[in-house]
Amino acid sequence: GENVEQHPSTLSVQEGDSAVIKCTYSDSASNYFPWYKQELGKRPQLIIDIRSNVGEKKDQRIAVTLNKTAKHFSLHITETQPEDSAVYFCAASRPGGSYIPTFGRGTSLIVHP
Amino acid sequence: EAGVVQSPRYKIIEKKQPVAFWCNPISGHNTLYWYLQNLGQGPELLIRYENEEAVDDSQLPKDRFSAERLKGVDSTLKIQPAELGDSAVYLCASSPGTGELFFGEGSRLTVL
Repeated sequence: GENVEQHPSTLSVQEGDSAVIKCTYSDSASNYFPWYKQELGKRPQLIIDIRSNVGEKKDQRIAVTLNKTAKHFSLHITETQPEDSAVYFCAASRPGGSYIPTFGRGTSLIVHP
Repeated sequence: EAGVVQSPRYKIIEKKQPVAFWCNPISGHNTLYWYLQNLGQGPELLIRYENEEAVDDSQLPKDRFSAERLKGVDSTLKIQPAELGDSAVYLCASSPGTGELFFGEGSRLTVL
């Protein structure tokens, strides 16, 4: 089955700095890579996703890059703000009748004001 | 639009007792997932439904866990008997088939 590794487990930055979270996956057939944000005590929510037919996707301050050859993808957050503090999960999902994402272990991002 | 609704939000039971969790997915979402989330970990799939059919339950410990999705809408996840190691958050999610999962708030189980 799919195995997703996520690093770092904890990331501490100053407000305004950039943050980068990296993930690797094992199944070369995976073609959909979502990122979820989970605030303390809340539900995970999708913040951005990328499919294997593109190498980069951007949405305001967040961007995701995908390297299919190396089987890794990254989340980039620029101009971080205290409200970005949360746990971020990457996931990889292979094609089929339905999507079954395998999640990484999560990165706890702390943005210091 | 109402989101995925789960209940109860919190449950404390003694080991060997039974417990059940309920999930109401977003209307029109045919795919329903139950995930287990331990503290400091990512969600781990327990079971996935396509309408009323369980199509991926290989990670569900069938000796004590059971699930059902009658009429292809609401779903229940049951544990009987509960063990100390079952303490975790049980997340339900539904999807319209686009890849995005819509999660509920989760049911936090504490087994004493």
